[in-house]
Amino acid sequence: DGGITQSPKYLFRKEGQNVTLSCEQNLNHDAMYWYRQDPGQGLRLIYYSQIVNDFQKGDIAEGYSVSREKKESFPLTVTSAQKNPTAFYLCASRPPGRTDINSPLHFGNGTRLTVT
Amino acid sequence: QKEVEQNSGPLSVPEGAIASLNCTYSDRGSQSFFWYRQYSGKSPELIMFIYSNGDKEDGRFTAQLNKASQYVSLLIRDSQPSDSATYLCAVSGYSTLTFGKGTMLLVSP
Repeated sequence: DGGITQSPKYLFRKEGQNVTLSCEQNLNHDAMYWYRQDPGQGLRLIYYSQIVNDFQKGDIAEGYSVSREKKESFPLTVTSAQKNPTAFYLCASRPPGRTDINSPLHFGNGTRLTVT
Repeated sequence: QKEVEQNSGPLSVPEGAIASLNCTYSDRGSQSFFWYRQYSGKSPELIMFIYSNGDKEDGRFTAQLNKASQYVSLLIRDSQPSDSATYLCAVSGYSTLTFGKGTMLLVSP
């Protein structure tokens, strides 16, 4: 069953700790994305990657880092530099060869991060 | 900075009525438009996409696009309580999608 798997579903951390959110896909998609969603807000782009070993900052990259060592995996690290890390984090991907403008995003089930 | 604007709602309609959700966008060069439905606590799921001016129908859903007015809408016919959710409008740039904040729809039995 193809899809995007995000883990864990819920994550709790103390302030000042780095935390890594997992995103794995078996859809053979080239492009992968990380979005953040706050209550009552839309999705804001953190980072995206269109190919292995390459990634670009989105609109709110400060305090986050990513890696893309494998096509299937795009983990997101929330560092202690992120001022307000508590949010719902969504990973998404796009079909192969379709990083152009006409392709929709497919989303994972999300990770809800709470930092206290 | 590309902007996508939606009325936050909630939009309340009775069961069986037509729900009309609207979205405007700032980038006149945008070419692809998407509607996602998001239930509370869940991830967004794609409902419709539209590229050309005019209407596109899929079951109870109709997407309407007017590029000259930079306006895209989603009509839901015969609304059901299960349609109660937040509807996100998304506009495609070169390599990403820009999302609006979403409109909450409430369908009462």
